[in-house]
Amino acid sequence: DAGVIQSPRHEVTEMGQEVTLRCKPISGHDYLFWYRQTMMRGLELLIYFNNNVPIDDSGMPEDRFSAKMPNASFSTLKIQPSEPRDSAVYFCASSPQGAGAFFGQGTRLTVV
Amino acid sequence: DAKTTQPTSMDCAEGRAANLPCNHSTISGNEYVYWYRQIHSQGPQYIIHGLKNNETNEMASLIITEDRKSSTLILPHATLRDTAVYYCIVRYSGGSNYKLTFGKGTLLTVNP
Repeated sequence: DAGVIQSPRHEVTEMGQEVTLRCKPISGHDYLFWYRQTMMRGLELLIYFNNNVPIDDSGMPEDRFSAKMPNASFSTLKIQPSEPRDSAVYFCASSPQGAGAFFGQGTRLTVV
Repeated sequence: DAKTTQPTSMDCAEGRAANLPCNHSTISGNEYVYWYRQIHSQGPQYIIHGLKNNETNEMASLIITEDRKSSTLILPHATLRDTAVYYCIVRYSGGSNYKLTFGKGTLLTVNP
C-alpha cells in the first residue's frame, strides 16, 4: 500500500477563494482524521470519520470549514472562503480499529 | 481522554538509549497509551501502543507502570535520525469513539 495520499502537497491561494484538500486513506482502514498544524497551536484535530460517518467535528474552527467522506477511499476538506489565518499544514490520517493511525505527508496551505 | 504530561525537551547521545517519560495519572481502564513522533516537516509517525503490558516492536519498547499512571518509551540505540518531537497520547477505545488528540510532546535531540 502507498500509505495515506494527500493532494495537493502545496497550495497557495488568495483570500476569499475556495480551497479543497484531498485525502485517500489506506485501504481497509475504518477511521479517517483531519488535522491542522501551526507553530502557535500545534496539531489540532479538526474532524474524524468512522466508516465514512463523521463522529466528532468539534474541532472544525468555523462554518467556513467542511469535510466529507463520500466513500471509503476518499475524503475532502473544504475551506470557503479562505482567510490568511487558515494558513497551516493540513494532515490526513487513517487507522484501523484498535491500532495506530498512519499520516499522510500533509498539504501546506498558504492564503495570501 | 486522559491528559498527559511530558517534558518539553530532552537530549540523548547517539548510540545510547533514549528514555522518554510520560505521566497520565487520570488514565481509565479502557484507555490505551499511544506514542507517535514527528520528524521536522513530515507527518506524525506511529511508534507503538499498549494497554497495561509492556510492548516491544522493531522501533521501540513501551514500559507501562503497574498502576498505569505513567509510561516510558525506550529507543534502545538512538541515532541522529531519531531527533523528533515525541507525543504520548492516551486514547479511549470503545465503539466508534476513537479520538486521537495530540499535546505538545517532547523534543528529543540526539547528539553526535
